[in-house]
Amino acid sequence: EAQVTQNPRYLITVTGKKLTVTCSQNMNHEYMSWYRQDPGLGLRQIYYSMNVEVTDKGDVPEGYKVSRKEKRNFPLILESPSPNQTSLYFCASRQGGLPNTEAFFGQGTRLTVV
Amino acid sequence: AQTVTQSQPEMSVQEAETVTLSCTYDTSENNYYLFWYKQPPSRQMILVIRQEAYKQQNATENRFSVNFQKAAKSFSLKISDSQLGDTAMYFCAFSQLEYGNKLVFGAGTILRVKS
Repeated sequence: EAQVTQNPRYLITVTGKKLTVTCSQNMNHEYMSWYRQDPGLGLRQIYYSMNVEVTDKGDVPEGYKVSRKEKRNFPLILESPSPNQTSLYFCASRQGGLPNTEAFFGQGTRLTVV
Repeated sequence: AQTVTQSQPEMSVQEAETVTLSCTYDTSENNYYLFWYKQPPSRQMILVIRQEAYKQQNATENRFSVNFQKAAKSFSLKISDSQLGDTAMYFCAFSQLEYGNKLVFGAGTILRVKS
């Protein structure tokens, strides 16, 4: 079954404690990205990757890091989380180079930073 | 910059009736793609329908259809014979090659189907 697997689904952490949200896809997609969803703002892109070892900033990259060492995995790293990063996060993958393709999303991670 | 605007934060409809969700977008390019995604309470993002800007014919998928007005930069979603399972947040989104295939989303419209 084609899927994007994101973990954990829920996470409560304290300010400044480093955390990683994992994302893995089994569709051999080149393009992967991270979004955050906030009320009234929709989904905004944090970072994206066109292929292995190729990453770039999206619209709201401050406070986040990513890496793409393998095609299937694209973890999101918060090195020093702050309360304004409390949000719902989604990982997504798409077939590369084609803007008309369907994006497949993970189940979402609800992050609370206290 | 690309922007997508959904002007209806919330809507409700009676079961079996028809409802239309509005979406407008802004771009100076001619070649782009438009999508509607559904997010039910489970949080899963599900593609409902997509439209290619160079195609004049409006896309349809079963009970879902769009009204694509390119000159007006409008892309509304019509849901016919609404069902309780259609209750969800609906996002309009836009993508084009010149911007790295990024999906740009609107703020979303919460649709509630009432029995």
